Amino acid sequence: DTGVSQNPRHKITKRGQNVTFRCDPISEHNRLYWYRQTLGQGPEFLTYFQNEAQLEKSRLLSDRFSAERPKGSFSTLEIQRTEQGDSAMYLCASSLGTGEMVYGYTFGSGTRLTVV
Amino acid sequence: ELKVEQNPLFLSMQEGKNYTIYCNYSTTSDRLYWYRQDPGKSLESLFVLLSNGAVKQEGRLMASLDTKARLSTLHITAAVHDLSATYFCAVGATGGGADGLTFGKGTHLIIQP
Repeated sequence: DTGVSQNPRHKITKRGQNVTFRCDPISEHNRLYWYRQTLGQGPEFLTYFQNEAQLEKSRLLSDRFSAERPKGSFSTLEIQRTEQGDSAMYLCASSLGTGEMVYGYTFGSGTRLTVV
Repeated sequence: ELKVEQNPLFLSMQEGKNYTIYCNYSTTSDRLYWYRQDPGKSLESLFVLLSNGAVKQEGRLMASLDTKARLSTLHITAAVHDLSATYFCAVGATGGGADGLTFGKGTHLIIQP
């Protein structure tokens, strides 16, 4: 297992375009999280899946943001009609249920989005 | 709303010195995490602290938790250049993962030879 994998690593897009990022968690991890990190700040929680169920999405930044985890494996985060303020690092993390209390969360390397 | 404050936000120190990073949080929590982030890289898990009085050590880093004071510390002993990084504390809301983690702004640590 190579850990949490995120693609692409970098994405440059024009304002108004839609973008989609992919996260492949550690295979046995049933929980998956998306975070956004802007320069000089800590990661900010966006949404959470347990298996294929999205149990928390109220923290998504606007209705332009959506996420899916169709078969409880990989997840995608989509941003529609991108704005310059969406430029940030988008991080995915996974965990194994109550293993969070022992092992914490494993983060991927992130996708850096630049909106021009 | 859970808030997490770290201080200092920036720290420049010399090799061989000791220093402490502080993390305060605003509401009851049953879990606190410390992460390290190198420039352009993702977050590396350092410590998970669950109970009052918990202390964990790895090499030159030692973390502790005082749940009554809602305070965690990350102590660096005899710093070396390789410890230069940004350190984050993160707190989970009591009861489970659905609230994710709330992170502090991070402490940018530079250790000069």
